[in-house]
Amino acid sequence: QKEVEQDPGPLSVPEGAIVSLNCTYSNSAFQYFMWYRQYSRKGPELLMYTYSSGNKEDGRFTAQVDKSSKYISLFIRDSQPSDSATYLCAMRLANQAGTALIFGKGTTLSVSS
Amino acid sequence: GAGVSQSPSNKVTEKGKDVELRCDPISGHTALYWYRQSLGQGLEFLIYFQGNSAPDKSGLPSDRFSAERTGGSVSTLTIQRTQQEDSAVYLCASSPSAHGGARQFFGPGTRLTVL
Repeated sequence: QKEVEQDPGPLSVPEGAIVSLNCTYSNSAFQYFMWYRQYSRKGPELLMYTYSSGNKEDGRFTAQVDKSSKYISLFIRDSQPSDSATYLCAMRLANQAGTALIFGKGTTLSVSS
Repeated sequence: GAGVSQSPSNKVTEKGKDVELRCDPISGHTALYWYRQSLGQGLEFLIYFQGNSAPDKSGLPSDRFSAERTGGSVSTLTIQRTQQEDSAVYLCASSPSAHGGARQFFGPGTRLTVL
């Protein structure tokens, strides 16, 4: 079993739809959870950052962490064609200097106008 | 301010040749990471530097891979005797500290193709 599982998609939605992206993980010691957005031939861009469980909202984006289920989600409201990209979930252990991010393989999202 | 920069953006080489990839982290960031992104494999950690401490090389796939960081800033990833399976995008990230909660910011990557 991979440490982080993410459905690669592709996921295609019409403009204005609500998008739900998800990851599951196996290591209960993960404490930091991130979502990166990666456009084609670009580096990953940090989109959302959450510590431990709970929700975090930033504009049209909401990140949720459910540590009891080892499940994280990213919701995109009122999706736009500019949201078309690959979304990578990432997570990290707590209080361990220098630990690398563990990534899901990414979900490719396409929003059509 | 400037983000993480990497050069070259693309590199095509022949099997068996050595290549050097460069990373310039965000000014003031003490932690620097190298990752590799292969088709179907996602992002994999390669090596980590923090200040002047010995690097964490636990992710390097073979002894053909090495990296150094000069003066606590610029880093170079070297791949010797390249193989076709080394073809991937090599990404560098920097972070203001090595603390577990510190955010990592990525460069645009170097796309390596080994013929």
